[in-house]
Amino acid sequence: QSVVTQPPSASGTPGQRVTISCSGSSSNIGSNTVNWYQQLPGTAPKLLIYRNGHRPSGVPDRFSGSKSGTSASLAISGLQSEDEADYYCAIWDDILNGRVFGGGTKLTVL
Amino acid sequence: EVQLVESGGGSAQPGGSLRLSCAASGFTFSSYEMYWLRQAPGREPEWVSYISTSGTIIDYADSVRGRFTISRDNAKNSLHLQMSSLRVEDTAVYSCARDNPDFDALDMWGQGTLVTGSS
Repeated sequence: QSVVTQPPSASGTPGQRVTISCSGSSSNIGSNTVNWYQQLPGTAPKLLIYRNGHRPSGVPDRFSGSKSGTSASLAISGLQSEDEADYYCAIWDDILNGRVFGGGTKLTVL
Repeated sequence: EVQLVESGGGSAQPGGSLRLSCAASGFTFSSYEMYWLRQAPGREPEWVSYISTSGTIIDYADSVRGRFTISRDNAKNSLHLQMSSLRVEDTAVYSCARDNPDFDALDMWGQGTLVTGSS
């Protein structure tokens, strides 16, 4: 069981806005920056958001991230069918002294 | 194009060994810290091992410490993971990833190679 908690599933219809939460503690989210990954079926994780809210080149601005205290969230606006994937938050944990990943959220586009 | 390509996966009996390799291209490999991670079916990625740019600083997850050995050859742009005393619970897709200090994140992952610890 991961030290960082995500809801196992989320869903929305095309065009909607969806948010995915990531809840941790003072040893991880509370003291370090959060990254988000998108994993399409059968592919490697793709960096979507780094340092809480920054997008790498090529990531659409429909994707945004934020952090407050020991929680973070990923928002996807203008939901598209190709957004259907697993999403993971990732953070450094000061107690475990390593990178930890949330349990993942499976996003379904209805 | 930045690329990481893993090889060496397969099936091994419990207690057996495998050596994974990761070939890097499209970037200055020697300038980046590197990771091995694994992902069991239906599970989140899990950090396995870390190595510094020069290879002098190394770390392992508790679950593999003493059984796995990470190494790199900057002259050959390659990363390796020697796995021994394999267990059934080591079954996963193993991927190498680049740690980008500009992002403070693992910004590039390989497609992975499947390791199956079967009895």
